[in-house]
Amino acid sequence: DAKTTQPPSMDCAEGRAANLPCNHSTISGNEYVYWYRQIHSQGPQYIIHGLKNNETNEMASLIITEDRKSSTLILPHATLRDTAVYYCIVRSPLITGAQKLVFGQGTRLTINP
Amino acid sequence: DTGVSQDPRHKITKRGQNVTFRCDPISEHNRLYWYRQTLGQGPEFLTYFQNEAQLEKSRLLSDRFSAERPKGSFSTLEIQRTEQGDSAMYLCASSLSGVTDTQYFGPGTRLTVL
Repeated sequence: DAKTTQPPSMDCAEGRAANLPCNHSTISGNEYVYWYRQIHSQGPQYIIHGLKNNETNEMASLIITEDRKSSTLILPHATLRDTAVYYCIVRSPLITGAQKLVFGQGTRLTINP
Repeated sequence: DTGVSQDPRHKITKRGQNVTFRCDPISEHNRLYWYRQTLGQGPEFLTYFQNEAQLEKSRLLSDRFSAERPKGSFSTLEIQRTEQGDSAMYLCASSLSGVTDTQYFGPGTRLTVL
């Protein structure tokens, strides 16, 4: 399983862009990078995923380096509701071809007013 | 659009009792996963179903735990003879098999064993 490294915590001012880094130096060529977040006492919420190219959706942007060894999740205009633990996950294939998610400790992002 | 639902949301039980949790996946999803999350930790994989077949079980899933997915729709997770160490959030996720197979999580069931 490819492992990820994230800073344990980050702060960001409301209205600013929040940039959350993730290192995944042992990622394999066919493994996707997924981002989830978890607001206190709720289930994880899917944000975005990517393989090689940068991706954008209504929630965030994902920038993956050319060598794929690291990525950055960008929340363009952070709000107080974005305060959560953010998990960067490299998907690990099971024998059957499905992929369990291996969660690390994540980054606790606090958005300050 | 209904997401993954779980019932109950909270369960308090005494040590030694049996408990059962239910998960209803997103309707067209053929894959269903159970995870467990203890305080301050990320979720940990327990088991996975494709349709009605249980295809993978983690070593975390002791003999006291059993999961079923009859008819490939909803799933149940039963814990027999609960122990205080079973206190955790039990999360269910579902996905549609395909290239990306994105998992969507339910709100979880929080179990407290006294």
